[in-house]
Amino acid sequence: TQLLEQSPQFLSIQEGENLTVYCNSSSVFSSLQWYRQEPGEGPVLLVTVVTGGEVKKLKRLTFQFGDARKDSSLHITAAQPGDTGLYLCAGAHQAGTALIFGKGTTLSVSS
Amino acid sequence: DTGVSQDPRHKITKRGQNVTFRCDPISEHNRLYWYRQTLGQGPEFLTYFQNEAQLEKSRLLSDRFSAERPKGSFSTLEIQRTEQGDSAMYLCASSRMGVSEKLFFGSGTQLSVL
Repeated sequence: TQLLEQSPQFLSIQEGENLTVYCNSSSVFSSLQWYRQEPGEGPVLLVTVVTGGEVKKLKRLTFQFGDARKDSSLHITAAQPGDTGLYLCAGAHQAGTALIFGKGTTLSVSS
Repeated sequence: DTGVSQDPRHKITKRGQNVTFRCDPISEHNRLYWYRQTLGQGPEFLTYFQNEAQLEKSRLLSDRFSAERPKGSFSTLEIQRTEQGDSAMYLCASSRMGVSEKLFFGSGTQLSVL
C-alpha cells in the first residue's frame, strides 16, 4: 500500500506564529503536490514539486521536496486566520498514475 | 472556464437504496477522478478515467460501486444498496494528463445514508 503520512494531524496556533507540516513516505514519488481545503469545498492546489531538493515559495508559504523525493514539508511564516484549513499532500509514484492523498493536517489559526 | 461541477451537492437516502452522482469536468480535461472523503480525513482514491477508459480502480472499492464516463465528458458514480458506511463526501476532479498533473476538484456531493 502506498502511504503518505502527514504530521501533525492537528495544529492550533496564534496569529503571527510560524509552523511546519510534514509529509513522509517510504516510497519515491515522481511528483508531490500540496492542497488546501476549506469546509464544504473541494481541495485547491497550492503547489507541485517535481525535482528532489526543490524549494518553492508562495507568499508566506515555503514548500520543500526531499532530496530522495520521499518526503516534503510546508512551512508557513507569520500565520494568519485566513490560513485556517485542511492541508493535504498528494503524490504520484509514476507520471500518469492516480494521485494518493495523505490524511491531512487541520490547521486552526486564531487572532 | 466554469470549473468542475458536481450534482447533487447533498443527497440523503435510506439504507439499501441506490444513488447516482454526476460530475462535469473542465471541458478540455481528458482525465477524471473520483475520491471519497470523510470528515477530517484526506480524500481516498476510488477510480479514474482517461477519456472514456477506466484506467484504475481502487482495490478497496466494493462491487456496489460503479462509475462510467461514456463519451469521455461527464461521469456518473453509482452506489447500489447503500450502507451507512457509505456516508461521505464524494469528490470529482479533472486534469489534463501531464508530468506534474494538476487536479481541479468540484465542491463534492455529500451523501448521508440513514
